[in-house]
Amino acid sequence: SQQGEEDPQALSIQEGENATMNCSYKTSINNLQWYRQNSGRGLVHLILIRSNEREKHSGRLRVTLDTSKKSSSLLITASRAADTASYFCATDPLGETSGSRLTFGEGTQLTVNP
Amino acid sequence: ETGVTQTPRHLVMGMTNKKSLKCEQHLGHNAMYWYKQSAKKPLELMFVYSLEERVENNSVPSRFSPECPNSSHLFLHLHTLQPEDSALYLCASSQDGKAGTDTQYFGPGTRLTVL
Repeated sequence: SQQGEEDPQALSIQEGENATMNCSYKTSINNLQWYRQNSGRGLVHLILIRSNEREKHSGRLRVTLDTSKKSSSLLITASRAADTASYFCATDPLGETSGSRLTFGEGTQLTVNP
Repeated sequence: ETGVTQTPRHLVMGMTNKKSLKCEQHLGHNAMYWYKQSAKKPLELMFVYSLEERVENNSVPSRFSPECPNSSHLFLHLHTLQPEDSALYLCASSQDGKAGTDTQYFGPGTRLTVL
């Protein structure tokens, strides 16, 4: 199976509710990143958490990382209809290389209903 | 607007055609990437360039040929493609720092259809 598996695959909530997405991975990492993609468009970087960090916040986003369980979660608080998108976690494997070698999961499709 | 542009945005080609995808970044980054995104599959890393040198080639068929003439431009040359190559092709760039905090900036993608 692959690195960076998200669950759930799809999540539908009402505006104002919180959305939580989870990601599991298999190898040791430098960092884990979350990206967002609107339908058929490019990905937008949301947040990066390093392997020695446990929690990070950015606006309405909260990311946790548990390296012992090789898992991460992304929480979006007070969701808005504009948050509707696919969300991907990506792991940057341990090791010094030129350029990052991100491995992406299959993503969670979030739908926020007005 | 992420500072990474891709052209064309849509491309339809026959299996015998030769075409090229273009990517340009205006961020002063040193690393550039090609990804393939097919329906119901994770993003697949195809090629990585760092300082114009190819540093990764993930077992991509030779009908895909990348070119990086300088740190701002990246091309993907296509020839004799198959229908299963139809996908969204995404270009990205990153600063190429060594501290393990490199984040990638993506272009809008080229939607490729092979008939």
